[in-house]
Amino acid sequence: GESVGLHLPTLSVQEGDNSIINCAYSNSASDYFIWYKQESGKGPQFIIDIRSNMDKRQGQRVTVLLNKTVKHLSLQIAATQPGDSAVYFCAETTYGNNRLAFGKGNQVVVIP
Amino acid sequence: NAGVMQNPRHLVRRRGQEARLRCSPMKGHSHVYWYRQLPEEGLKFMVYLQKENIIDESGMPKERFSAEFPKEGPSILRIQQVVRGDSAAYFCASSPLVSETQYFGPGTRLLVL
Repeated sequence: GESVGLHLPTLSVQEGDNSIINCAYSNSASDYFIWYKQESGKGPQFIIDIRSNMDKRQGQRVTVLLNKTVKHLSLQIAATQPGDSAVYFCAETTYGNNRLAFGKGNQVVVIP
Repeated sequence: NAGVMQNPRHLVRRRGQEARLRCSPMKGHSHVYWYRQLPEEGLKFMVYLQKENIIDESGMPKERFSAEFPKEGPSILRIQQVVRGDSAAYFCASSPLVSETQYFGPGTRLLVL
């Protein structure tokens, strides 16, 4: 079951360095994955997505890697900036399903 | 092109009162989803609606919670007789089609005193 009140895993990264955020997903049948960024007091913001027929997808400064064998997803942020400070969530779903299942989130703190 | 809009952004209610949360999807989106977020947790799915239809409410508590998405106007999440445990952030998302990317609104933060 879920635990309430746990502190989020936190990644502290120097401005300009690369960040890697990891996510272990739970459902082997999931075939669509999304990374969201959530800043304090705001709603989740779409960053990048990937379908299960791919193992890598690149966006602007971000790359998502998918390893279906071990049910692992990662988000790489290049040249991290102060504006990247936020909580990052991975979400999974299956095609035709309407609900997203979110992971617990990872806090990224960028040190200027 | 306006994003998903939610109001109010903050809502304070006393135990036993009703809370009404509103969500206007992005233009051109006909699928609406509601999620709840407790502090330092991920979002939990509550309900999925299309115009005038509830498609999946498997994440909704059995009592006191209801949702609608009328032909005209915003989607409404209604919580009757609120209790302190209902305090949370409630997010609405919309998508143009099911299985497409869901875009989230800024959320309504409900505090029950």
